[in-house]
Amino acid sequence: NAGVTQTPKFQVLKTGQSMTLQCAQDMNHEYMSWYRQDPGMGLRLIHYSVGAGITDQGEVPNGYNVSRSTTEDFPLRLLSAAPSQTSVYFCASSYSRPSNQPQHFGDGTRLSIL
Amino acid sequence: AQTVTQSQPEMSVQEAETVTLSCTYDTSENNYYLFWYKQPPSRQMILVIRQEAYKQQNATENRFSVNFQKAAKSFSLKISDSQLGDTAMYFCAFMISGNTPLVFGKGTRLSVIA
Repeated sequence: NAGVTQTPKFQVLKTGQSMTLQCAQDMNHEYMSWYRQDPGMGLRLIHYSVGAGITDQGEVPNGYNVSRSTTEDFPLRLLSAAPSQTSVYFCASSYSRPSNQPQHFGDGTRLSIL
Repeated sequence: AQTVTQSQPEMSVQEAETVTLSCTYDTSENNYYLFWYKQPPSRQMILVIRQEAYKQQNATENRFSVNFQKAAKSFSLKISDSQLGDTAMYFCAFMISGNTPLVFGKGTRLSVIA
């Protein structure tokens, strides 16, 4: 099993550019989520999904879109990048049942917006 | 809304000594799940230990143990016989169920000194 795979690992964008951060998992997990990690802020939830076709907003959803067309994939889209979106992004997944299942994290994507 | 507070931004400990990291949380739920994650300089998020709120017995995993005080809403992590490889950011996290988001504290940076 590859676990949770995030691509790319690093990316530099210019303000106003768009891009998609990819996340794929091969564990048949129902639950998937995206976090951003900023210094001194911990991990903050952007969007999450409890299954294919279902997505919901987290704590900091503005400027980001997601979709969940398959169980395996959960891409995160930045439509018009802003310097405030410079961060490290983590994708995570887990089984929804039983409820005590921990989330498995990808290795993160470091994104810089100039 | 649930919140998680880690009051110690940074801590240090001598190799082979014991250290305790603090975590408090706020919730009106009776059943929930608590986790400690470790993030070494490699940026990976690694599950250290988990605790189900309905279990009175404190969880242990080798050198790692927790002191779970449900009434006080406290969930501290004790690391015994600290090793250089324990140097990392440690995040406390809270979850109501497998279909709900994981809420993180802002983290404690632990340095183990030789």
